Amino acid sequence: NAGVTQTPKFQVLKTGQSMTLQCAQDMNHEYMSWYRQDPGMGLRLIHYSVGAGITDQGEVPNGYNVSRSTTEDFPLRLLSAAPSQTSVYFCASRPSGANVLTFGAGSRLTVL
Amino acid sequence: EDKVVQSPLSLVVHEGDTVTLNCSYEVTNFRSLLWYKQEKKAPTFLFMLTSSGIEKKSGRLSSILDKKELFSILNITATQTGDSAVYLCAVGRGSSNTGKLIFGQGTTLQVKP
Repeated sequence: NAGVTQTPKFQVLKTGQSMTLQCAQDMNHEYMSWYRQDPGMGLRLIHYSVGAGITDQGEVPNGYNVSRSTTEDFPLRLLSAAPSQTSVYFCASRPSGANVLTFGAGSRLTVL
Repeated sequence: EDKVVQSPLSLVVHEGDTVTLNCSYEVTNFRSLLWYKQEKKAPTFLFMLTSSGIEKKSGRLSSILDKKELFSILNITATQTGDSAVYLCAVGRGSSNTGKLIFGQGTTLQVKP
């Protein structure tokens, strides 16, 4: 049981490049979400999904796209990276009806 | 606007000390309050509180919620260097199916030998 798996762990991009952060969970959780963590600001919700085919915006969605074609996968896309998107990104999931999120190990992204 | 505020933001203590971390919130449709511990990597779950006045305890850690005054505290007794971490408070709002977790800024605890 791997839990929540994020790839890559580290990535350096140049301004304007695009990339996708991958997130997969093997717990059959309906709810999945992406957070970013910046110093002094805690974790802020980017996008979330309550099931396959359903996504919605969180607090800081601008500059990010998501899709949910399967229960297991919830990729986060940066279409044109900006230095303000330098952060640590966490994917997290939980069963529908539960409160506790299980987090992936995080992906550290630097945009130059 | 929903808000979760933790204090202090950072704390340095010596082994054996007792610490109290605070979390206050203003959140509509409150569902639960959670505490997480983060050591370099992913946050790991500590406690979930939904009812006022009922203490949750795990070893040297304990937590309690006051839904009238809208705050929670996390106590750590007889601190050890392994307790050094960022402690995150999060409040769940909305329904259990679609609701979100809103996080505070975190408290960075350093325990010196």
